[in-house]
Amino acid sequence: DGGITQSPKYLFRKEGQNVTLSCEQNLNHDAMYWYRQDPGQGLRLIYYSQIVNDFQKGDIAEGYSVSREKKESFPLTVTSAQKNPTAFYLCAAGGRNTDTQYFGPGTRLTVL
Amino acid sequence: QQQVKQSPQSLIVQKGGIPIINCAYENTAFDYFPWYQQFPGKGPALLIAIRPDVSEKKEGRFTISFNKSAKQFSLHIMDSQPGDSATYFCAANSGGSNYKLTFGKGTLLTVNP
Repeated sequence: DGGITQSPKYLFRKEGQNVTLSCEQNLNHDAMYWYRQDPGQGLRLIYYSQIVNDFQKGDIAEGYSVSREKKESFPLTVTSAQKNPTAFYLCAAGGRNTDTQYFGPGTRLTVL
Repeated sequence: QQQVKQSPQSLIVQKGGIPIINCAYENTAFDYFPWYQQFPGKGPALLIAIRPDVSEKKEGRFTISFNKSAKQFSLHIMDSQPGDSATYFCAANSGGSNYKLTFGKGTLLTVNP
């Protein structure tokens, strides 16, 4: 997992609630990423940020929002507009100085 | 759309066998090809990576073979062990100003004792 932390490890949400997943890195990488993982679907990119105060939509951004106010932090909010949010969420860091992305341990979100 | 196609979806081998996982891509701009290993409930971890200027790279029991003309690359695990049982993902990156990795859908490997 290197220097990427995600919290909480498990998260339960009621229908209609927004929840925020935390991702922090101490690897000094410029770029950070959020992925969603569902069984048999591989890793799908939600949002990514190549630099502070800038971010771009990935392949499945609808129902999610992000911010990048600090280089170390890239929180993801799962909004009530996301109709099927139950999944394993992975944060990664990498980019400019390396082609590789390093992943955090993940957050498993379950909607009750 | 950029894609990386990975096969097989699942693979079962006996201890000591040599599982082979294959990936194919279309985008000739891809210039970096990593493999990740993921255990249940954990984040993926970088296993080994290759660039198109070499045809093979070995790290321990893991080998990547790369065929640039066929736009294919594969992971071989020598002397596989039950502890290698995991999901393996291939990926590709086109570098430059695009820092996005495109992932295959994964291969669930089971190594029986």
